[in-house]
Formats: sequence, C-alpha cells, structure tokens
Amino acid sequence: AQRVTQPEKLLSVFKGAPVELKCNYSYSGSPELFWYVQYSRQRLQLLLRHISRESIKGFTADLNKGETSFHLKKPFAQEEDSAMYYCALLSGGYNKLIFGAGTRLAVHP
Amino acid sequence: GAVVSQHPSWVICKSGTSVKIECRSLDFQATTMFWYRQFPKQSLMLMATSNEGSKATYEQGVEKDKFLINHASLTLSTLTVTSAHPEDSSFYICSARGGTSGRVGTYNEQFFGPGTRLTVL
Repeated sequence: AQRVTQPEKLLSVFKGAPVELKCNYSYSGSPELFWYVQYSRQRLQLLLRHISRESIKGFTADLNKGETSFHLKKPFAQEEDSAMYYCALLSGGYNKLIFGAGTRLAVHP
Repeated sequence: GAVVSQHPSWVICKSGTSVKIECRSLDFQATTMFWYRQFPKQSLMLMATSNEGSKATYEQGVEKDKFLINHASLTLSTLTVTSAHPEDSSFYICSARGGTSGRVGTYNEQFFGPGTRLTVL
C-alpha cells in the first residue's frame, strides 16, 4: 500500500536549534516526494521536491531509499519557520498526492 | 507562481440543501484538478481527481453521487455537495496542475486554493 507517515504531530524547538521533521513512505515503484508547508491562515504551498535537490529557506531533504525516508532538515530554525509541514508522495496515473498527517513546527524565541 | 482561487471561502447551509464550490486557475490552464477534504487538525484527504472534459475519478469511500465534480473548462472545476448533512461539514481544498504536458511552473507541482469552509447546520 502507498502510504506516507509523519510520526510527530508537533515539534517544538527554540530559535537557532536544528530541526528534523521525519517522513517515511511506502511505495512499490520509484518514489517522487515533496514537502509542502502551510503557514498560519495561508494556503498550502510547495516547499521542495526531492528530484530538484534544492535548498529552500534553508531547508533540505534527502531521499533515502534504503530507509524509505525523506526527512526535512534545517540547521538553524527561525521563528518564521513555524508552520504545518506535510510530506507528500506522488502516486498513480494522474499524479495524485498522498499526504502524511503533517507535523506542526513551533519555533520559540 | 500560478494562482488558484476558490469561491466561496466559507459557506453555511441548512441540512438537506446542496452547495457548490468553485475552483479556478487564474493564470494557467489546469489539465487536472484535485479535490481534498481536511478535518480539523488532520491531513488532507484526496476525494477525487478531475480532468477537463472527462468524468472525475473518485477515491475509495467517496460517494460520487454525493460529491458531484464538474471540470467543464481548463480553468474551472466545481464540487457540489448534494443534500448536505452536518457530517459533511469540513474544509474543502482544491489544487490544480497544468501546462501543455500536464505541468506548469515546476515539475508535477500542484497549486492549492485557499480552501472553502463548509458548515452544515
């Protein structure tokens, strides 16, 4: 079965601390994974995708096929990073997205 | 980036009535639109995939007769909740993916609308 697991509902850190939001997936083929972010009172927006291997707002995510993981990392969290983060897996002929449950990141001053 | 709008942003209706929610891609042609449902403090659950000019593909467990989807043009998809009941109260979100090869902007990216909050009394 195709599934995305985000084990942490809430991750609370202090400003300047490193952040790692965990994401594990289950997919039989070659996965295509994304991280979406939703800031307070805003719509969901794409943060980054694994195929582009980019760093956005200091965040990076590496696909580890052996561990079936796509964890999101940032070395030094900022207060403006506080948001809801969703890991998503592309699936099916219509390229639909399967979302994880989401992790709320709270960065405290 | 590409912009997707939804209308209305919120709606309150009486039980038994039908409600239509519109999803528009404002500056690109969306070959595929997706409808999601999000309960409070929960993730997005895909309800259906809508392709312009063809019937929507519903996810397992989603009643196609209750949630009618019409994707009549490359910039508009509508979701009609028929005979709404309190348990249909939720946040409904659409997304759009477009471009000549099914993509616009970035590879396989979906652009999300702001959502519509439906409350059925």
